[in-house]
Amino acid sequence: KQEVTQIPAALSVPEGENLVLNCSFTDSAIYNLQWFRQDPGKGLTSLLLIQSSQREQTSGRLNASLDKSSGRSTLYIAASQPGDSATYLCAVRRTGGGNKLTFGTGTQLKVEL
Amino acid sequence: DVKVTQSSRYLVKRTGEKVFLECVQDMDHENMFWYRQDPGLGLRLIYFSYDVKMKEKGDIPEGYSVSREKKERFSLILESASTNQTSMYLCAGRTGNSPLHFGNGTRLTVT
Repeated sequence: KQEVTQIPAALSVPEGENLVLNCSFTDSAIYNLQWFRQDPGKGLTSLLLIQSSQREQTSGRLNASLDKSSGRSTLYIAASQPGDSATYLCAVRRTGGGNKLTFGTGTQLKVEL
Repeated sequence: DVKVTQSSRYLVKRTGEKVFLECVQDMDHENMFWYRQDPGLGLRLIYFSYDVKMKEKGDIPEGYSVSREKKERFSLILESASTNQTSMYLCAGRTGNSPLHFGNGTRLTVT
């Protein structure tokens, strides 16, 4: 059974700092991995999707990497801003697993002025 | 991109009531999902649908049913609401290998 872990559960950084969020998964037979952000009381917003054949994806100040062999993905946020404060979740879609995603429980990020 | 709309942001229902949660997507995409999200438990898949009238159970289908009569609409039904179904309910849609897109969620409270 696929398990997805995100450590730390919470992180606080000063504005302007570059930071890395971690996502680990136990089964390397994945189809793709997706990063989301969630603001309090809201739904999830898709940030980046990495297919299993890709090593990284970039969107603006965000860069996500994928290392299937080690069961890890990282989300790099450059020059963090208070507006980046949210909970960040990763989700893995397993090869042959059809439509199901397995979600991590998220990292709650606070960027302070 | 798929736009997913959930009709209610907040709902308060009584124990034993039949509850309908509605979700609509604005593009002709085949896959739609219902999740619930609870503190400490994360997101858990209730049901999903890969085409009109087609559905599959997720990880926690007990106490729920779904309806997909039209491609753009996917409804979650609580046959007899109970207090342990108080939760945030999230609908999502996807086509093929594209990203999964979520609605804004419905916060359901059962009293």
